[in-house]
Amino acid sequence: GEDVEQSLFLSVREGDSSVINCTYTDSSSTYLYWYKQEPGAGLQLLTYIFSNMDMKQDQRLTVLLNKKDKHLSLRIADTQTGDSAIYFCAESGGNTPLVFGKGTRLSVIA
Amino acid sequence: GAVVSQHPSWVICKSGTSVKIECRSLDFQATTMFWYRQFPKQSLMLMATSNEGSKATYEQGVEKDKFLINHASLTLSTLTVTSAHPEDSSFYICSASPGVNEQFFGPGTRLTVL
Repeated sequence: GEDVEQSLFLSVREGDSSVINCTYTDSSSTYLYWYKQEPGAGLQLLTYIFSNMDMKQDQRLTVLLNKKDKHLSLRIADTQTGDSAIYFCAESGGNTPLVFGKGTRLSVIA
Repeated sequence: GAVVSQHPSWVICKSGTSVKIECRSLDFQATTMFWYRQFPKQSLMLMATSNEGSKATYEQGVEKDKFLINHASLTLSTLTVTSAHPEDSSFYICSASPGVNEQFFGPGTRLTVL
């Protein structure tokens, strides 16, 4: 079945950039998502990218997609303490359930 | 826009009782709703997919008689955990989809079974 892999932990200093990486196996993935989960809360959609795109930028967030390598990354510029959370990568073929990675716990050090 | 609510946000119950969790799309109609379960420090696992007016489709390993899902309207889906046991304690999250490619998540319901 489909699989989505992420590194489990990332620690950065406040003001630095964070890069969270994700790989997936389903070549038919059409949409790739990044969600943010703060402690005890549900998921917040940060951004998503269509598989025919290479990059998408939204304020401090930049998503890069390498479809050939099935690699997705999320870059957070000027990382703030409020960015500390778990970030989930997810993929979908369209109007289908999302397949999630295990999440990357981002810790921002002041 | 695109707000999904869940009720209750937190519930504690005794073993053997049933618990109903509601998922509502507040400002859009959801043709499809999904129920996920999240164990501590783990990812979300899809439990079932429900379409309004039809029976839910359960993922492999999910007991449909234990986790009853009803999608009675385009804005409401319910998950009932029947005869709950401590191993059912978890964080249950629903999502609602107004159409293709988008899913909006509820804030989650934390269930603790004593």
